[in-house]
Amino acid sequence: DAKTTQPTSMDCAEGRAANLPCNHSTISGNEYVYWYRQIHSQGPQYIIHGLKNNETNEMASLIITEDRKSSTLILPHATLRDTAVYYCIVRVAPSGTSGSARQLTFGSGTQLTVLP
Amino acid sequence: GAGVSQSPSNKVTEKGKDVELRCDPISGHTALYWYRQSLGQGLEFLIYFQGNSAPDKSGLPSDRFSAERTGGSVSTLTIQRTQQEDSAVYLCASSSGTSGGPKLFGPGTRLTVT
Repeated sequence: DAKTTQPTSMDCAEGRAANLPCNHSTISGNEYVYWYRQIHSQGPQYIIHGLKNNETNEMASLIITEDRKSSTLILPHATLRDTAVYYCIVRVAPSGTSGSARQLTFGSGTQLTVLP
Repeated sequence: GAGVSQSPSNKVTEKGKDVELRCDPISGHTALYWYRQSLGQGLEFLIYFQGNSAPDKSGLPSDRFSAERTGGSVSTLTIQRTQQEDSAVYLCASSSGTSGGPKLFGPGTRLTVT
């Protein structure tokens, strides 16, 4: 699996956009970029994933560089409830195979704190 | 309910005792996953069920750990002769067969072995 590196922590003012970077310079051509977050004392929550095109859903946007060696998760209007640890992982995403389950191994992530 | 549920939410047990942790996945989800997360650590894969296929048990740390999924729905993770290093939050997730991995996690069971 490609390794990822993320800043340990970031702060963001409430209502402003939170931009969380992730480096994955050894990503393979068939590996997707996934983002999850974990709010304190809760289970992980899937946010978004993408291969090479930028993606947007109701929670966030994912911007992947053209060389796919890095990406940025954007929370357009951060709220206090977005305070969490955000995990960026890269993995192959075949349909429901055990390989994809094993690859869901989080590192230390970025602690995002949204400030009032 | 609409989400993945787990029980109990907290379990304190004495070293050497057996424990059973339960996961109720989202109805209709064919894939079910167990992970554990130790304090301040990332997520560790334990076991994966997909439909009627043989489960992938490659993440189970020892033969004291086992899991079953009856009727393709509810799953039970059993830890025999618990040790203090088994203390962690045990997380269950489920997904439909074509989702490419777990997206919806349960709240977890916090296991403390004293």
